[in-house]
Amino acid sequence: QKEVEQNSGPLSVPEGAIASLNCTYSDRGSQSFFWYRQYSGKSPELIMFIYSNGDKEDGRFTAQLNKASQYVSLLIRDSQPSDSATYLCAVIPATQGGSEKLVFGKGTKLTVNP
Amino acid sequence: GAVVSQHPSRVICKSGTSVKIECRSLDFQATTMFWYRQFPKQSLMLMATSNEGSKATYEQGVEKDKFLINHASLTLSTLTVTSAHPEDSSFYICSARVGWGIQYFGAGTRLSVL
Repeated sequence: QKEVEQNSGPLSVPEGAIASLNCTYSDRGSQSFFWYRQYSGKSPELIMFIYSNGDKEDGRFTAQLNKASQYVSLLIRDSQPSDSATYLCAVIPATQGGSEKLVFGKGTKLTVNP
Repeated sequence: GAVVSQHPSRVICKSGTSVKIECRSLDFQATTMFWYRQFPKQSLMLMATSNEGSKATYEQGVEKDKFLINHASLTLSTLTVTSAHPEDSSFYICSARVGWGIQYFGAGTRLSVL
């Protein structure tokens, strides 16, 4: 089982809709979770991080964490065409023994249609 | 916000030559930087962790003698791909640690080895 799994997509939503991106992870002891956005041909940029169970909101973005289900998601409200990108889920596994190396999923490609 | 500058953005070279990529933190000191490689439609794979003033820590399967990393100052880390071959063609991205698990990425270097 891969450490961080994401549906590769593509996920297509109409402009103004809510986009829901999902991620599961294998290391139950993981404590830190991150969402990065990567436009085609560019490097990743941090959108949000979440450490505690529940929801964390930042503008149009909401990260949701459920450690019992080993599941983290990213909701994008009022999706815009400029949100079209690949979204990478990243986790710091507990098995790394204190190292803060990020383990990335393969990413979900999101397309927001005007 | 924190800015990480990476140069060059694109390199085309002949097989057998060496290529140096620079990663600079412009407005902060980065004691830890990371080097990643990303193949098309794949996720970021960590190559090594670079700590200022000490030897880099390489991930399993990454050849230390081929991918030379130097982190001689708090604002500069370099990756040298020695004797590059076509299979080394990839997107190389550096990042700088700005907080627990939080990394700011450079723009990336697209290496093409002919």
